[in-house]
Amino acid sequence: SQTIHQWPATLVQPVGSPLSLECTVEGTSNPNLYWYRQAAGRGLQLLFYSVGIGQISSEVPQNLSASRPQDRQFILSSKKLLLSDSGFYLCAWSVGGGTDTQYFGPGTRLTVL
Amino acid sequence: RKEVEQDPGPFNVPEGATVAFNCTYSNSASQSFFWYRQDCRKEPKLLMSVYSSGNEDGRFTAQLNRASQYISLLIRDSKLSDSATYLCARGYGQNFVFGPGTRLSVLP
Repeated sequence: SQTIHQWPATLVQPVGSPLSLECTVEGTSNPNLYWYRQAAGRGLQLLFYSVGIGQISSEVPQNLSASRPQDRQFILSSKKLLLSDSGFYLCAWSVGGGTDTQYFGPGTRLTVL
Repeated sequence: RKEVEQDPGPFNVPEGATVAFNCTYSNSASQSFFWYRQDCRKEPKLLMSVYSSGNEDGRFTAQLNRASQYISLLIRDSKLSDSATYLCARGYGQNFVFGPGTRLSVLP
């Protein structure tokens, strides 16, 4: 069966510090991968998605970036965090090749102080 | 108009009640629709997929009305454990758009 991991689970970072969040998927090949952010009391905002290694589509211009160095690994990064980057970051995967159900990882709760 | 809209609630219902949520979408080319359940401070978990006119799973029934561009979720015989936020989502290609969610509280 497929599983999706995210780490860390929680993170407290000062403004201006760098960020690296990691997501890995097991049990499937060539998945579509997604990064979402959910601000407190808000809906899910799609940040990036990837249909393959090195292929990243950005939905929202901001100070975040994403990379997919391996088939089942998706990384979200920032060089300098802003207060507004605080939120619940969720990685999701779906079967590649079209629109299909997305399955979410446990998320990383980021607080920028 | 937002792509996917939901009444944020909260819907406060007694145990055993039947409750229904609607979700409207604006992109008529949407191919697939989903209902997710999200508990407080947890990730969304798939509740139901809605690919055609409707889907039923136990106490949960989802319906799709393409002409009026909405999907609905009906929960019968509500349990305390049904208390959560329910998110609807519509898909088109790799593009997934989620609604803001509807909060449900089932009261004893």
